[in-house]
Amino acid sequence: NAGVTQTPKFQVLKTGQSMTLQCAQDMNHNSMYWYRQDPGMGLRLIYYSASEGTTDKGEVPNGYNVSRLNKREFSLRLESAAPSQTSVYFCATAGGGSSYNEQFFGPGTRLTVL
Amino acid sequence: SQQGEEDPQALSIQEGENATMNCSYKTSINNLQWYRQNSGRGLVHLILIRSNEREKHSGRLRVTLDTSKKGSSLLITASRAADTASYFCASGAGSYQLTFGKGTKLSVIP
Repeated sequence: NAGVTQTPKFQVLKTGQSMTLQCAQDMNHNSMYWYRQDPGMGLRLIYYSASEGTTDKGEVPNGYNVSRLNKREFSLRLESAAPSQTSVYFCATAGGGSSYNEQFFGPGTRLTVL
Repeated sequence: SQQGEEDPQALSIQEGENATMNCSYKTSINNLQWYRQNSGRGLVHLILIRSNEREKHSGRLRVTLDTSKKGSSLLITASRAADTASYFCASGAGSYQLTFGKGTKLSVIP
């Protein structure tokens, strides 16, 4: 079992370009999350999906969109990248429907916007 | 921001010593979790403590929770070089979300 996978691992964009970060899980989990991690800021929640067919904003959703394609896949899209979106992006999943469930993280995507 | 704070931001100790990290949070919670992150990797869950618990153990880890002070501590006993990592607390308040702190960077010197 691969657990939680993310593609790509690294990406460099120019300001204004768009891209989609992909996340897939084979853990049969209902909940999926997208975080960004910046130096000295810890992890901040961008969007989450409690179950297939639902998505909700987190703490820092501006400039991002998400799609819960099916139970396995949750993508994050940057429509017009800005230097402020330079960060490491993590996808995570959780089995149940509450914050009691531990989250399982992917390896991350390191994004640089020039 | 609802983020909590870890204290200290960085900690350097000798192998075999104990490491203590503290976490404070801002709102009422129903559970608090600790995660570990090795350099360049994703986070890995270590331990969860519920709001009605005061102390929990897992191997060399001991977690305490004081809801009246809105704080938690993580103690790693008999530290090893392999414990070198960043440690994050994450508070849960009943929804699907966890709120992560900013982390403590632990260096264990062989």
